[in-house]
Amino acid sequence: NAGVTQTPKFHILKTGQSMTLQCAQDMNHGYLSWYRQDPGMGLRRIHYSVAAGITDKGEVPDGYNVSRSNTEDFPLRLLSAAPSQTSVYFCASSYRTGGEAFFGQGTRLTVV
Amino acid sequence: KNEVEQSPQNLTAQEGEFITINCSYSVGISALHWLQQHPGGGIVSLFMLSSGKKKHGRLIATINIQEKHSSLHITASHPRDSAVYICAAPSFPNAGGTSYGKLTFGQGTILTVHP
Repeated sequence: NAGVTQTPKFHILKTGQSMTLQCAQDMNHGYLSWYRQDPGMGLRRIHYSVAAGITDKGEVPDGYNVSRSNTEDFPLRLLSAAPSQTSVYFCASSYRTGGEAFFGQGTRLTVV
Repeated sequence: KNEVEQSPQNLTAQEGEFITINCSYSVGISALHWLQQHPGGGIVSLFMLSSGKKKHGRLIATINIQEKHSSLHITASHPRDSAVYICAAPSFPNAGGTSYGKLTFGQGTILTVHP
């Protein structure tokens, strides 16, 4: 079982560039979310989706965009990268909100 | 005051020792999660519990809903247990807006087990 797959694992981006972090899950989970993990800040939710076609903002959504066109995929877009977006990004899925969470391996992003 | 607090922040042990990590929370929750993250690695769900105790191998998690406290125990610790352990509390599903389905994470406990 693949579970939650994130790509890429590592990436270096220049300030002002855009990119998309990919998240795919094969467990037919409805609830998907993106988190960023920063030293001393813990994990903070960026955006989330409860079903295909439904997305909403988390606690740190600025500078990021998401869409959910199907159950499996939940891409995170950085619109115009800034050094403050240097972080480790995790995608997580669960069958329902509050259910057991399954995390991807993370994407380590550096914005220079 | 953080809504989810863990202690200790750092823990060093010798192989074979019994380890306890504590988590206290002030949010209303439906269940509590314990997660494990190895250095440079992904995050793995260890337990999700809403009452009592759960055991998986050498790992035991307990929760006291009334006292809003949970503990993660590791028996006969081993160097491969070295990792960051994180507890997380989900908001009640019927909370709206930015808190809907939100997981509030503790700061994590860095565990190092020496051989």
